[in-house]
Amino acid sequence: KAGVTQTPRYLIKTRGQQVTLSCSPISGHRSVSWYQQTPGQGLQFLFEYFSETQRNKGNFPGRFSGRQFSNSRSEMNVSTLELGDSALYLCASSWGGSYNEQFFGPGTRLTVL
Amino acid sequence: AQSVTQLDSQVPVFEEAPVELRCNYSSSVSVYLFWYVQYPNQGLQLLLKYLSGSTLVESINGFEAEFNKSQTSFHLRKPSVHISDTAEYFCAVSDGENTGTASKLTFGTGTRLQVTL
Repeated sequence: KAGVTQTPRYLIKTRGQQVTLSCSPISGHRSVSWYQQTPGQGLQFLFEYFSETQRNKGNFPGRFSGRQFSNSRSEMNVSTLELGDSALYLCASSWGGSYNEQFFGPGTRLTVL
Repeated sequence: AQSVTQLDSQVPVFEEAPVELRCNYSSSVSVYLFWYVQYPNQGLQLLLKYLSGSTLVESINGFEAEFNKSQTSFHLRKPSVHISDTAEYFCAVSDGENTGTASKLTFGTGTRLQVTL
């Protein structure tokens, strides 16, 4: 069974640009969550999508957005990039429900210059 | 609101020695508890979880954790560590009451376990 895949694995952008990250969940999983990991703030929840609907959102500015497609693949977008957006962005998929294990992808390392 | 505190940012230990990584949580509702491990340049992998039932849960690679409701703790232990256990360990909680709604994990800041010879 293929795991969670994230593309691209590495990205370098400059301030002010926008970026789109992609996540393909494990087949059959309908829930996709996104997390930001930084040395200073640790792992922080961005948002979760379930069956194309955003079910929960963390405390991030509106520059961070996401969506989910009918095949459960998800994208997150960050507009007007800031230096502080440099981070490892992790995607996780699950069957949905807070008791289910979340399976994490390898992450996308975003560097903003 | 939920929060997780991992009291030790780094834990150095010699191979074959026992180790305990501490985790305390705070929540106004019941929670599910998880330990995840992250190896360098990789995503997170589930180590073990507590949902209900026996308060002692075990993983296949020798780790165990005990849920203590009165102390709101979920410490991770291993009686004898190996070099390959060197990694970052994260304790996390999720909502144990609204189970059908959202999958959101609240993580601690992580503990780096460094195993040396």
